[in-house]
Amino acid sequence: DVKVTQSSRYLVKRTGEKVFLECVQDMDHENMFWYRQDPGLGLRLIYFSYDVKMKEKGDIPEGYSVSREKKERFSLILESASTNQTSMYLCASSSSGAAALYEQYFGPGTRLTVT
Amino acid sequence: TQLLEQSPQFLSIQEGENLTVYCNSSSVFSSLQWYRQEPGEGPVLLVTVVTGGEVKKLKRLTFQFGDARKDSSLHITAAQTGDTGLYLCAGGGETSYDKVIFGPGTSLSVIP
Repeated sequence: DVKVTQSSRYLVKRTGEKVFLECVQDMDHENMFWYRQDPGLGLRLIYFSYDVKMKEKGDIPEGYSVSREKKERFSLILESASTNQTSMYLCASSSSGAAALYEQYFGPGTRLTVT
Repeated sequence: TQLLEQSPQFLSIQEGENLTVYCNSSSVFSSLQWYRQEPGEGPVLLVTVVTGGEVKKLKRLTFQFGDARKDSSLHITAAQTGDTGLYLCAGGGETSYDKVIFGPGTSLSVIP
């Protein structure tokens, strides 16, 4: 069964802290994605990666960075957390090729609150 | 810029009723996916449609891709409380490295 796991379901951090969100997939997928989801704004792409050590900016990369040292793991880093980064963070993965590229498998999400 | 619109935004129906939700765009997509997301969870992939005019069935759910590959619909027959959730459509671009575009979703509530 396809599985994407995220390191925490709920996280509370203080303004200015450095925050690490980890995502691991066990499907040998080439592509991995980080989104944030906010009411009324839908899913917004932060960063994605098509290969190890490769990253591409999504629609809202400001204030975030990512790391992909191994194929199965994609980390999202908030360098200095701010209250406007309070959100639900979703990690996803997909395999390459045709329609499969767009079939994304999501983790359960991390609800991050920055106070 | 590719955009996907979904309608209605909210839908509340009684158990046993039928419903249809829509996903529309002015852009052509190489494929289109439907996801269901339950509160506090990540979206779960339901189906992918690829060919214009394609119809796929998943138990009581029927998905259709428009002939021009710009729109799609999801029809649920005899809705059940377990169908409650946020239904998202997502479109793939014309090239393999185009980003997936997500619609804003339709929030469905099925009342017993």
